[in-house]
Amino acid sequence: EPEVTQTPSHQVTQMGQEVILRCVPISNHLYFYWYRQILGQKVEFLVSFYNNEISEKSEIFDDQFSVERPDGSNFTLKIRSTKLEDSAMYFCASSEVRQDIGFYGYTFGSGTRLTVV
Amino acid sequence: AQSVSQHNHHVILSEAASLELGCNYSYGGTVNLFWYVQYPGQHLQLLLKYFSGDPLVKGIKGFEAEFIKSKFSFNLRKPSVQWSDTAEYFCAALWPGGSQGNLIFGKGTKLSVKP
Repeated sequence: EPEVTQTPSHQVTQMGQEVILRCVPISNHLYFYWYRQILGQKVEFLVSFYNNEISEKSEIFDDQFSVERPDGSNFTLKIRSTKLEDSAMYFCASSEVRQDIGFYGYTFGSGTRLTVV
Repeated sequence: AQSVSQHNHHVILSEAASLELGCNYSYGGTVNLFWYVQYPGQHLQLLLKYFSGDPLVKGIKGFEAEFIKSKFSFNLRKPSVQWSDTAEYFCAALWPGGSQGNLIFGKGTKLSVKP
């Protein structure tokens, strides 16, 4: 079964540093997403990406965050200057769209645990 | 605003007990519904999903869920739980007609099964 791959699985960074989280979505999917789960809290939507641009973003996704599809396979989330409160599990997801049923095949990656110290 | 509610924060059961976890979603037209499970230290794994058709959906590991449109509910059930079902369970909804495809998650229900 196709998978969404995320690297690294765990990253520790110092406050104020930039981090890039990487994702390889399923190859025939066109919609890509980042979600965040702070320990003990619910999974929250950050941003969706389609056709090389952001299609929707949440209030959490402020100027510190950016996303990019640098090549045909990777989808990255960059946090410019990390804060302690950015410590969380970050999940990448991808999906396709079918005319008859809408968004389909929604698949999550295994997550990157980001720890900001 | 679109939302998903899970009423039970933590459920503790003994092995072989029956399970029902509640999930309600806010009204907003056509909705796709999902249940995800997250085992300790692992990623989100899809248990089952409802798009249309038969409102009783069967998923993996013996789980099922019933979509009741009149109650805006999508409760997860399992007739007999096992210790290995200890995990956190998340209900999620997608409104495909209006949104850009982002899932709205409930806060999750932690299930602890005593051996």
